[in-house]
Amino acid sequence: NAGVTQTPKFQVLKTGQSMTLQCAQDMNHNSMYWYRQDPGMGLRLIYYSASEGTTDKGEVPNGYNVSRLNKREFSLRLESAAPSQTSVYFCASSGGRAVIDSPLHFGNGTRLTVT
Amino acid sequence: SQQGEEDPQALSIQEGENATMNCSYKTSINNLQWYRQNSGRGLVHLILIRSNEREKHSGRLRVTLDTSKKSSSLLITASRAADTASYFCATDEETSYDKVIFGPGTSLSVIP
Repeated sequence: NAGVTQTPKFQVLKTGQSMTLQCAQDMNHNSMYWYRQDPGMGLRLIYYSASEGTTDKGEVPNGYNVSRLNKREFSLRLESAAPSQTSVYFCASSGGRAVIDSPLHFGNGTRLTVT
Repeated sequence: SQQGEEDPQALSIQEGENATMNCSYKTSINNLQWYRQNSGRGLVHLILIRSNEREKHSGRLRVTLDTSKKSSSLLITASRAADTASYFCATDEETSYDKVIFGPGTSLSVIP
């Protein structure tokens, strides 16, 4: 049972480059999330998707776009990377509203450095 | 601004002692969750408490929730060195069940 899988694990970009972070879950979860975590800090919500076909902004959406490709996959795109986007990115999923008391399940993170 | 805030930011205790961490939040919620993170890895869910519950236990963990004060506490009893980690609370919003916001976390060090 893989759970939540994120790719890549590490990435170095130059300022202005673009990239897409991939996330897939195999738990048939309805809701998926993208968070970023800066050193020594908590997680900040970038975007979330309550169900296939819907996405909503979180706390820090600027500079990012997302796609809920299907129920399993939720991708995060940086169109023009900036050094301020250097962070560890976590994808998570949960049963959502349809599943009472469903916790978040996290991937292992993508460490992104923008130079 | 974040839904939840936590204190203390860092806590250092001796093995065998109890550790208490507090979380405050700003809006009405459906539930509050606590998570643990070891050394920058992904977070692991510890316990969830609903807004109509006041206390919940899971092994050595005890969580309380006071919705009138918009605060929660996590108590870890008889701490072990392996409990060394960062602990985060997370809340949804009563009108947006799926929007889950995390607090800044408490870094716990348990000294053997």
